[in-house]
Amino acid sequence: NAGVTQTPKFRVLKTGQSMTLLCAQDMNHEYMYWYRQDPGMGLRLIHYSVGEGTTAKGEVPDGYNVSRLKKQNFLLGLESAAPSQTSVYFCASRKTGTPKNIQYFGAGTRLSVL
Amino acid sequence: DAKTTQPPSMDCAEGRAANLPCNHSTISGNEYVYWYRQIHSQGPQYIIHGLKNNETNEMASLIITEDRKSSTLILPHATLRDTAVYYCIVRSNFGNEKLTFGTGTRLTIIP
Repeated sequence: NAGVTQTPKFRVLKTGQSMTLLCAQDMNHEYMYWYRQDPGMGLRLIHYSVGEGTTAKGEVPDGYNVSRLKKQNFLLGLESAAPSQTSVYFCASRKTGTPKNIQYFGAGTRLSVL
Repeated sequence: DAKTTQPPSMDCAEGRAANLPCNHSTISGNEYVYWYRQIHSQGPQYIIHGLKNNETNEMASLIITEDRKSSTLILPHATLRDTAVYYCIVRSNFGNEKLTFGTGTRLTIIP
């Protein structure tokens, strides 16, 4: 049981490049989340999904897009990366019916945009 | 979400109990106390939560005062792998999906 798996673990991009971060969970969870963590800023919610085929904006959605084509996967896309998007990105998931404050996190993707 | 106050850092000797305090004097009746930790370079990890009764699981114990204005997370036999930043979060099970972490307590386990 791998839990929440994020790929890649590290990535360096040049300004303007695009990339997709993949989050996969094997716990059959309905809810999935993308957060970013910056020094001194704590975790900030980018987008989330309450089920397959659904997405919703969090508090910092600009510059990102997401897709949830399969229940187990949640993709985070950066269409034109900017240095301000240098951060550590965490994916999380939770099961319907469990407290929304209990989320299971992946190990993170460290992204640098030059 | 209720405001929480935690000491910025603490040390604990390996094998001893680590007691991490959290003040949440503005907690309301439907708000729970949740604890997470984040080990360096890893994602946050849920530890335990409670409403008003003391709770225990395989990882830790949570002691909530009778007036619910403060709580203590107890790691009974701390190991080096417990070195992490510990976050106390107070919020209800309703409202938005955003989970917000404060600055937490950096716990260092000393060999």
